[in-house]
Amino acid sequence: SQTIHQWPATLVQPVGSPLSLECTVEGTSNPNLYWYRQAAGRGLQLLFYSVGIGQISSEVPQNLSASRPQDRQFILSSKKLLLSDSGFYLCAWSVRARDTQYFGPGTRLTVL
Amino acid sequence: AQKVTQAQTEISVVEKEDVTLDCVYETRDTTYYLFWYKQPPSGELVFLIRRNSFDEQNEISGRYSWNFQKSTSSFNFTITASQVVDSAVYFCALSGAGDYKLSFGAGTTVTVRA
Repeated sequence: SQTIHQWPATLVQPVGSPLSLECTVEGTSNPNLYWYRQAAGRGLQLLFYSVGIGQISSEVPQNLSASRPQDRQFILSSKKLLLSDSGFYLCAWSVRARDTQYFGPGTRLTVL
Repeated sequence: AQKVTQAQTEISVVEKEDVTLDCVYETRDTTYYLFWYKQPPSGELVFLIRRNSFDEQNEISGRYSWNFQKSTSSFNFTITASQVVDSAVYFCALSGAGDYKLSFGAGTTVTVRA
């Protein structure tokens, strides 16, 4: 069966510091991978998606970037965090674009 | 563009009551997919159901049931005989045939009191 992992689970970072969140999927090959952000306990917004290694599409221009160095690894990064980057970050995977997306446990990021 | 509206922000019920969550969607696609997810206090989104636009058959899974009506662009979710463990935020979502993005509603917080 497929499993999706995210770490860290929680993170508190000062403004201006870098960020790296990691997501890995087990039990499937060549998945579509997604990063969503949920701010203020609501409203999930797609940030990035990837259909293959090195292929990243951005949905919303912002302070963040994503990379997919391996087939089942998806990384969300920032060089300098802003207060507005605080939120709950969820990684998800699917087989194809229209298929069900399965979500990881999430990372709660607080920028102070 | 896809849009999902969950007009109910919060619903509070006593255990064993039924609760219905409304979901209204907008899309220009003829082929699309509707989803419901549950987000318990732990935060992880748990997939509940996926329905494609060509299948209007209602579905029942244990205490959960879904009513899909294309004529009113609605995909409502009912929890029968609610339990405290049903307390969570429930999200309705929509994607078009070629979409990578799930368009989520704002969510409905369900609180089931013992």
